[in-house]
Amino acid sequence: EIVMTQSPATLSVSPGEGATLSCRASQSVNNNLAWYQQRPGQAPRLLIYGASTRANGIPARFSGSGSGTEFTLTISSLQSEDSAVYYCQQYNEGTFGQGTKVEIK
Amino acid sequence: EVQLVQSGAEVKEPGESLKISCKGSGYSFNTYWIGWVRQMPGKGLEWMGIIYPGDSDTRYSPSFQGQVTISVDKSISTAYLQWSSLKASDTAMYFCAAPTLPAWAFDVWGQGTMVTVSS
Repeated sequence: EIVMTQSPATLSVSPGEGATLSCRASQSVNNNLAWYQQRPGQAPRLLIYGASTRANGIPARFSGSGSGTEFTLTISSLQSEDSAVYYCQQYNEGTFGQGTKVEIK
Repeated sequence: EVQLVQSGAEVKEPGESLKISCKGSGYSFNTYWIGWVRQMPGKGLEWMGIIYPGDSDTRYSPSFQGQVTISVDKSISTAYLQWSSLKASDTAMYFCAAPTLPAWAFDVWGQGTMVTVSS
């Protein structure tokens, strides 16, 4: 089973600053990698698929990069509504990472 | 509008059986896979399995194989997640989700069904 490892576990960022979230796969998933945002009490929302393609309606401040085993989600100029837990998922087999909680200071 | 609507919250006792549902609308239900995702209280997302309504081809995560059954009734555009004997550790929120993009990422999500198993 492919294991997905996210870092850091928690990130505290001031409004307007940027944030970089990392996701590592235990073996290559090519670019079959998605990022989701989950706000408290809500279902997850797809942000990025194919490692770097923004889903419909996702603001341009969200961007994804990487391939193989190393991936990054970058959020530029954080806003209060970006406070959430972010998960990566490899969809060769389906497994999710354990999540990174982004807090706005 | 593409939608997945899940059945309501359930409270069950250990050993009981349960079947929760996920009804699709606004798209061609038979032509997109539907998956199930578990989220235990305060924890992360776990991919349980996925089914193709067109032919009921089903894939399970090794962690959930034999523990649950995923099925579908395409005549009513509904997918199901079923337990034969619930345990307290099955207490969780369960989401159904569908990948309608040219990728297996879940872009459409149900609202979630909370299952509580307690004596």
